[in-house]
Amino acid sequence: QKEVEQDPGPLSVPEGAIVSLNCTYSNSAFQYFMWYRQYSRKGPELLMYTYSSGNKEDGRFTAQVDKSSKYISLFIRDSQPSDSATYLCAMTKIQGAQKLVFGQGTRLTINP
Amino acid sequence: GAVVSQHPSWVICKSGTSVKIECRSLDFQATTMFWYRQFPKQSLMLMATSNEGSKATYEQGVEKDKFLINHASLTLSTLTVTSAHPEDSSFYICSANTGQLGNTIYFGEGSWLTVV
Repeated sequence: QKEVEQDPGPLSVPEGAIVSLNCTYSNSAFQYFMWYRQYSRKGPELLMYTYSSGNKEDGRFTAQVDKSSKYISLFIRDSQPSDSATYLCAMTKIQGAQKLVFGQGTRLTINP
Repeated sequence: GAVVSQHPSWVICKSGTSVKIECRSLDFQATTMFWYRQFPKQSLMLMATSNEGSKATYEQGVEKDKFLINHASLTLSTLTVTSAHPEDSSFYICSANTGQLGNTIYFGEGSWLTVV
């Protein structure tokens, strides 16, 4: 079993829809959770960062962490074609220079 | 956000030659940088952890003599692919930890390597 599971998709939705992206994990030691967006042939771009359980909102993006269920989500409201990319969840155990454990990434396409 | 720069963004080299990729943290000091490899439509695979002033820590299955990593300063780490072969063609990405509260990690733009 992988430490972090993420549905690779592809996921295709119409413009304006609410998108829900999810990851589950098995190691309860994970404390820091991140979502990255990666456009084709580019490096990952940090979108959201959360610590422990709870919600965090930034514009059209909301990140949720439920540590009791070992489940994290990223919601995108009013999705735009420019949101089409691969979204990677990542997590790490402790603060500091720790390597990230990534999900497989979900390929998302927003159709005009 | 913090900026991590990679150079070159793409490179083509002949089989058997070596190629060097640079990773720089532009507005912060990074005692630790990470090197990843990514094949098309796949997630990032951590190759090694680069520590300033000491030897890199390689992940299992990564040949340390083939993928030489040097972290000579707090803002620069280099990855050298030695005696490159076509199967080494891939997207190589570095990342760096800002060391600030929050453990945020930023990635470079990536470097496409094609070995012909």
